Amino acid sequence: DAKTTQPPSMDCAEGRAANLPCNHSTISGNEYVYWYRQIHSQGPQYIIHGLKNNETNEMASLIITEDRKSSTLILPHATLRDTAVYYCIVRVTSYIPTFGRGTSLIVHP
Amino acid sequence: DAGVIQSPRHEVTEMGQEVTLRCKPISGHNSLFWYRQTMMRGLELLIYFNNNVPIDDSGMPEDRFSAKMPNASFSTLKIQPSEPRDSAVYFCASSLREGRVGEQYFGPGTRLTVT
Repeated sequence: DAKTTQPPSMDCAEGRAANLPCNHSTISGNEYVYWYRQIHSQGPQYIIHGLKNNETNEMASLIITEDRKSSTLILPHATLRDTAVYYCIVRVTSYIPTFGRGTSLIVHP
Repeated sequence: DAGVIQSPRHEVTEMGQEVTLRCKPISGHNSLFWYRQTMMRGLELLIYFNNNVPIDDSGMPEDRFSAKMPNASFSTLKIQPSEPRDSAVYFCASSLREGRVGEQYFGPGTRLTVT
């Protein structure tokens, strides 16, 4: 599996967009980019995934660069409840995400 | 759907005792996963099942750990005998179908403390 690199922590003002970067420079053509988050004392929660194209759902948007070596998860209007650890995972077509340390996002008032 | 259900939510036991953690996956999901999370090691996959059959148990720490899935709606993770280093949060997760990449649904976890 391709290794991912994420900043250990970020902060964002409530109501602003939170842009969480992920570097996966060794990604191969059949590997998907997945994002999960884990709110304190809860289990991880699936957010979104993509292969090549940008993706959007009710939770977030995923922007993948054309060379697929990096991606950005965008929470368009962050709320206090978005404070969590966000995991970027790159995986081939199996169903076992391997979780690293992620980015701890703090949304402040 | 109620989501993935785990019980108990908290367990405190003494070293040497047997511990059984339980999981009910989301109805219709055919893959089930057991994870362990600690501050030191993060989130680790212990074992996963597909259609009730264990596929990969390479993450199980040692023979003290065992997992079963007698039917599609129930799984257990047993630790016998338990040790203080087993203290962690244990998560169960399920997914919809084989080949569905990475979209897992996690339960609330069981916080295990072994004294």
